[in-house]
Amino acid sequence: GENVEQHPSTLSVQEGDSAVIKCTYSDSASNYFPWYKQELGKGPQLIIDIRSNVGEKKDQRIAVTLNKTAKHFSLHITETQPEDSAVYFCAASDSGGYQKVTFGTGTKLQVIP
Amino acid sequence: DTGVSQDPRHKITKRGQNVTFRCDPISEHNRLYWYRQTLGQGPEFLTYFQNEAQLEKSRLLSDRFSAERPKGSFSTLEIQRTEQGDSAMYLCASSTPPGTQNTEAFFGQGTRLTVV
Repeated sequence: GENVEQHPSTLSVQEGDSAVIKCTYSDSASNYFPWYKQELGKGPQLIIDIRSNVGEKKDQRIAVTLNKTAKHFSLHITETQPEDSAVYFCAASDSGGYQKVTFGTGTKLQVIP
Repeated sequence: DTGVSQDPRHKITKRGQNVTFRCDPISEHNRLYWYRQTLGQGPEFLTYFQNEAQLEKSRLLSDRFSAERPKGSFSTLEIQRTEQGDSAMYLCASSTPPGTQNTEAFFGQGTRLTVV
């Protein structure tokens, strides 16, 4: 089955700096890669996703890159704000859409004002 | 609120008791998923439904776990003879079927189970 590894497990940045979270996956059949933000006491919330037919996608301060050859994908948050503080999860699926998704272990991001 | 709704939000039970959780998906979503999340970990897939049909179950779903979605709307997850290792957050999510433009899954806020 799919295995998703995520690094780092914790990340502290100064407000305004950029944050980068990296993930690798094992199943070359995976073709859908969502990223989730989870705040304390809440369920995960989708913030951005990317499919295997594109290499990069951007939405305001958030961008995701995908390298299918290396089986790497990354989340980039620019101009970080205190409200970006949360746990971020990467995930992978081989269905082309949301089906059985395998999550990474999470990155706790702290943005220091 | 038209999001995914889970009930109860918190449940404390004694070891050996049975518990049941409910999930109400977004109304137009015909796919429904259950995940389990332990502290410091990502959610782990348990099972999913398309309408009333349970299409896949993880090996994490032992014989003590059963999920149903009898009318293709709400779903229940029952754990029989609970064990301390069952303590976790149980998350429900729903999505539209593949082939539609946006197939993202929306999660509920979860049910936190504590077995004492």
